[in-house]
Amino acid sequence: ILNVEQSPQSLHVQEGDSTNFTCSFPSSNFYALHWYRWETAKSPEALFVMTLNGDEKKKGRISATLNTKEGYSYLYIKGSQPEDSATYLCAQEGTSYGKLTFGQGTILTVHP
Amino acid sequence: GAVVSQHPSWVICKSGTSVKIECRSLDFQATTMFWYRQFPKQSLMLMATSNEGSKATYEQGVEKDKFLINHASLTLSTLTVTSAHPEDSSFYICSARRPGMNTEAFFGQGTRLTVV
Repeated sequence: ILNVEQSPQSLHVQEGDSTNFTCSFPSSNFYALHWYRWETAKSPEALFVMTLNGDEKKKGRISATLNTKEGYSYLYIKGSQPEDSATYLCAQEGTSYGKLTFGQGTILTVHP
Repeated sequence: GAVVSQHPSWVICKSGTSVKIECRSLDFQATTMFWYRQFPKQSLMLMATSNEGSKATYEQGVEKDKFLINHASLTLSTLTVTSAHPEDSSFYICSARRPGMNTEAFFGQGTRLTVV
C-alpha cells in the first residue's frame, strides 16, 4: 500500500445501527494514525491519535483499533445517531513531524 | 471555541489577482503550521509546512513562487495565492498542533477559493 485508503467511500445507515470503516496505510515509515470527524461547514475535529500496534481507543460510542504490522485501522460507531453524520478522515503521520497523509474519507449518513 | 481560526471562509477573485488567506492559532503558540488543499472528491493534500521565522517547506509539485507563505509570528501564518488562475480554485485549509508527542491537529474552518 502506497497511499492512505479508506473504505467505504460512503455509507448510509439507520439510526441505532452499528457501523465500521477501514483505513489502510503504508506500514513502513509509520509514526501515528489519526482519525478525524468532519461535519459540513465545520473544522475537522480529532477523534483519536494512535501509535501502538494493537492499540484500541474509545470515546463514548466510537472506538478505533490499530494494526501497524499489516497497516490498517478500524473505526467503529455503536448505535449510530443522526448527529454522527459526517465525513470521517484517517491520516497517517510519518517520521516527519506533523505531516499528515490523509485518506479520501468515509461519508456517513445516519437516517432517523 | 475554535482553536485555529481561518479567514476568509470563501473568496471569489478575478484571474490574475492575488488572494491572501490567514490562519491564526488562538490557544497556543504554533511554531509550525500546515497548509492543505482539497480538490473535489480528493483527499486533503499537504501543500507546505509553515515555519515561524524561517522559510516554508513546500511539498513536491507545489510552486513556492505561486503560493507564498509567511509565518511572521507564533500565532499567524498566511498563504497568498499569487496571480490566481481558475485551476487554483480549490478548498484550502490550515492546521496547527500543540508542541509535544502524539498530539492532534487543530484545523481552521477552511477557505473556498473560486477564481473567475
